[in-house]
Amino acid sequence: NAGVTQTPKFRVLKTGQSMTLLCAQDMNHEYMYWYRQDPGMGLRLIHYSVGEGTTAKGEVPDGYNVSRLKKQNFLLGLESAAPSQTSVYFCASSYSAGSGKMNTEAFFGQGTRLTVV
Amino acid sequence: QKEVEQDPGPLSVPEGAIVSLNCTYSNSAFQYFMWYRQYSRKGPELLMYTYSSGNKEDGRFTAQVDKSSKYISLFIRDSQPSDSATYLCAMTTSNYQLIWGAGTKLIIKP
Repeated sequence: NAGVTQTPKFRVLKTGQSMTLLCAQDMNHEYMYWYRQDPGMGLRLIHYSVGEGTTAKGEVPDGYNVSRLKKQNFLLGLESAAPSQTSVYFCASSYSAGSGKMNTEAFFGQGTRLTVV
Repeated sequence: QKEVEQDPGPLSVPEGAIVSLNCTYSNSAFQYFMWYRQYSRKGPELLMYTYSSGNKEDGRFTAQVDKSSKYISLFIRDSQPSDSATYLCAMTTSNYQLIWGAGTKLIIKP
């Protein structure tokens, strides 16, 4: 059981370049999230999804876009990377109906370390 | 002011000590309170959760919620070097959007 898998694990981008981060989960979870983690800031929610085909903005959505075309995948896109987007990005998922787990128990991937120069 | 405040530490204690980690919050609507543990270069993992007020115990870990003071705590008994990690508190109302503390880095010295 792989859980939540993020690709890539590391990436260096030049300012203005674009990229897509992929998150895949095999737990049949309904909800998926993208967070960024910066020193002293904790986890900040970028975008989230409550089901296939749905997306919503979180706390810090500017400069990012997301898509959830399949239930198991959640993509995070950076259209024009900026140095302020240098961070560690975490994908998480939660809630499977009938699992007995509460919807707030989130399972996290290993993170993607992104540096924008 | 942040909705959830957590001292970033680091907190350094000798092996075997009792550790107390805390968070304060401002939103009285929070009902679910969680503690996540994050090892270096890993994603957070759920350690304990509590609904509303009261205590919950799981092995060496005890989570405590005081809604009247808007204060939550995590106690670790007989601390081990393997407990060295960053501990993040998280809380939410009745939905799925978690509000996170900044995390406290804990170091257990052998």
